[in-house]
Parts: sequence; structure tokens; C-alpha cells
Amino acid sequence: KQEVTQIPAALSVPEGENLVLNCSFTDSAIYNLQWFRQDPGKGLTSLLLIQSSQREQTSGRLNASLDKSSGRSTLYIAASQPGDSATYLCAVKPHSGYALNFGKGTSLLVTP
Amino acid sequence: AAGVIQSPRHLIKEKRETATLKCYPIPRHDTVYWYQQGPGQDPQFLISFYEKMQSDKGSIPDRFSAQQFSDYHSELNMSSLELGDSALYFCASSPTRDRGRETQYFGPGTRLLVL
Repeated sequence: KQEVTQIPAALSVPEGENLVLNCSFTDSAIYNLQWFRQDPGKGLTSLLLIQSSQREQTSGRLNASLDKSSGRSTLYIAASQPGDSATYLCAVKPHSGYALNFGKGTSLLVTP
Repeated sequence: AAGVIQSPRHLIKEKRETATLKCYPIPRHDTVYWYQQGPGQDPQFLISFYEKMQSDKGSIPDRFSAQQFSDYHSELNMSSLELGDSALYFCASSPTRDRGRETQYFGPGTRLLVL
């Protein structure tokens, strides 16, 4: 069974800092990996999707990388803002089945 | 742009009651997924449908059933509700059965509270 781990579980940074969130997965047989943002009690907003054949994706201040062979992905957030405060979840789509396997998320707090 | 619609957004039920959650996918999306997220937990896959047929099954209890209708909307039926069923239930949709390329677009969720 695919296990997805996110480190750290929680992170607090001052506004303006660049930061990196980590995601690791145990089975490299994946189709893609998605990063989501979740605000408290709210739905999931897809941030970036990286196909297994890709190494990285960028959207604004966000950059996600994927190293499938080592089972790792990182989400880089540049020039963090208080509005970035949320829980960030990574999820992998394995070759078998339709389901996304989620990590437990990193809770990010950006202080003014 | 149209998003995934879920109804109701909030639901309160008593133990042993039944509940029906509805999901309306993004237009032209033919695959629907259901996930359950307990308090402080990551979302867990329950079940998915492609073209009105069940395509995959996860950790869905036998007390739950689901189906996808001809207009592609889906309903999750939950019977004999237990306290542990209190959670946020997400529906997601995607436009193609090509599992290598599609993004799953999530709805806002239905928050179910069982008392």
C-alpha cells in the first residue's frame, strides 16, 4: 500500500521568507502527484499537478518538484505571505486504482 | 468557471439515521470520486464511478452505498449512522478515464455531524 509522508507536520515562518514543504512516497509506480491547499474546515484547492514524466511545475510563487525514483516531492513557496497560511497536502495517483493517496499535510502559519 | 457542487453543505443527523449526500460534477466530467476526511485526518478514498459504473472501491463501509446517474451526478447514501461517521465528505470529478493525465477537482465538501 502506498504510504505518503509529509514533513514537517507544522511550520511557522515570518512573512517574506521562502520555504520548502516535503512529501515522500513509498511506491514510485505513480501516474502523477498533486499538491493541494486546504483552509480550516474548507475544501481542497488544487495548486499544482506533476505528471510522472515531469520534474517540476510552477505557478506564480509556487514551484513543485518531483523525483519519482527517490519517492520525493517538494513544494517551494517564495516570498511567503500571511494569506498562504493553510494546510498543504500532497497526494499521489498510483498506477493501480483511481484513488489519490494523501499525506497528512503540513500546517503552515505565516506571521506578519 | 463551473466547479464541483455538493449538497447539502452541512448536515446534522442522529445515530442510526440515514443520510444522502449529492455531488454534481463539473460539466463534461465523467468520473466522480468520493473521499471522507475525519477530524485532523487526511482524506480517505471511498469509491469512484466512471460512466455510471463503479470504477474503484476504497475503505467504504458496507452501510454506505453510492451510484452515478445518467446526468453524471452522484449520490452517497449512508445508513445506520455512527458517531464515527462525522466527517467532511468530498466529491471530486475529472474529465477522462485516462488516469495518467487528469486532475481531480474537488468540491467544497459536506460536513456531516452525527449526534
